[in-house]
Amino acid sequence: GAVVSQHPSWVICKSGTSVKIECRSLDFQATTMFWYRQFPKQSLMLMATSNEGSKATYEQGVEKDKFLINHASLTLSTLTVTSAHPEDSSFYICSARGSSVLNNEQFFGPGTRLTVL
Amino acid sequence: AQTVTQSQPEMSVQEAETVTLSCTYDTSESDYYLFWYKQPPSRQMILVIRQEAYKQQNATENRFSVNFQKAAKSFSLKISDSQLGDAAMYFCAYRSLEYGGSQGNLIFGKGTKLSVKP
Repeated sequence: GAVVSQHPSWVICKSGTSVKIECRSLDFQATTMFWYRQFPKQSLMLMATSNEGSKATYEQGVEKDKFLINHASLTLSTLTVTSAHPEDSSFYICSARGSSVLNNEQFFGPGTRLTVL
Repeated sequence: AQTVTQSQPEMSVQEAETVTLSCTYDTSESDYYLFWYKQPPSRQMILVIRQEAYKQQNATENRFSVNFQKAAKSFSLKISDSQLGDAAMYFCAYRSLEYGGSQGNLIFGKGTKLSVKP
């Protein structure tokens, strides 16, 4: 299957700072990228969906000014957690999907563990 | 709106035995995809098996097979000859084929934690 990478795999930051997480599709063009949040022992919660070159569509209850998503190219999307607070600590997972029949599958990155002190 | 329900928070199976994980869903759509994903302790989501709703034949991938009952909106996963490496969280997921506001994103169940006893 196709490969999706995330960087960093884990990050610790101080309260009030901003953190950027990168998601890259390594061997296919990702026309759509998804960002999920996962709390311990819970399911994946979709935060937002982005199409390359367009503004992200946020799910209800997700603060778009706090979780900035940029999908500037067909291989890169970024999630920036602005003015992070301890309650933003979580596991963030990106997922990417291409437009071809082969790449219509949704592939997941390995996730980023964010800890806000 | 579509929903996915996994009624078994935890399951346990003896190594080499067979286990079935349950999943039901609710939708008014006639065509869609259904998936089972595995999330081991590494937390990397791994696709186990997928089923297109228009296909009557149940999908099979080596030791993994599904029992897809469209009328009952049921999509169970059977793992045969269970191995220690099968221990993980298993998520059932639904995906619409309609690219409207949902943009065909995955809707996940709450997951079932599978333990494999040696």
